[in-house]
Amino acid sequence: IAGITQAPTSQILAAGRRMTLRCTQDMRHNAMYWYRQDLGLGLRLIHYSNTAGTTGKGEVPDGYSVSRANTDDFPLTLASAVPSQTSVYFCASSDSTSGSHEQFFGPGTRLTVL
Amino acid sequence: KNQVEQSPQSLIILEGKNCTLQCNYTVSPFSNLRWYKQDTGRGPVSLTIMTFSENTKSNGRYTATLDADTKQSSLHITASQLSDSASYICVVSEKAGTALIFGKGTTLSVSS
Repeated sequence: IAGITQAPTSQILAAGRRMTLRCTQDMRHNAMYWYRQDLGLGLRLIHYSNTAGTTGKGEVPDGYSVSRANTDDFPLTLASAVPSQTSVYFCASSDSTSGSHEQFFGPGTRLTVL
Repeated sequence: KNQVEQSPQSLIILEGKNCTLQCNYTVSPFSNLRWYKQDTGRGPVSLTIMTFSENTKSNGRYTATLDADTKQSSLHITASQLSDSASYICVVSEKAGTALIFGKGTTLSVSS
């Protein structure tokens, strides 16, 4: 089934631990994105990648890193998790060669840092 | 600063009734405006997308309007159903290919 998947669905993590959130899409979209969604704040862009091999910083990049080794995968890493990183994380992808640049979102990962 | 403001923050309506959600933006230059529906515990799903030259676009019982002069958009839901209960997010793109600017969403609850 074509689409975008994320793993894990949810995770409880101790502060200071390292964590990688996984994101995979099979639509051959060139662009991928990571957002966090917090109550009352809406979706905020963490990092993005316009094409495999390139990445860029979004609105709230501190404490997060990404890599884009291939077209399909875009993992997000928290090197040393802090409680303020408790959030719901959404991965998205888009085909920037299309007219609309519509972003398709994954189901999200709910992360709790204690 | 580019911003997207949505109102109301939340709304409760009875099943079968109509409702209208509002979105005002200050994004310039403007490329397109999208409305997303986000069910609880799920990712956002696109409902409509409109460019500068489009005034209205429908997707079933959902109709979005856009006034690029006043920088306002609305999402009208006709004959609401329980499954319409969700958060509706207005998203504006400054220009093609750039990052999206998200509103905080309107939470709609449809009760029987």
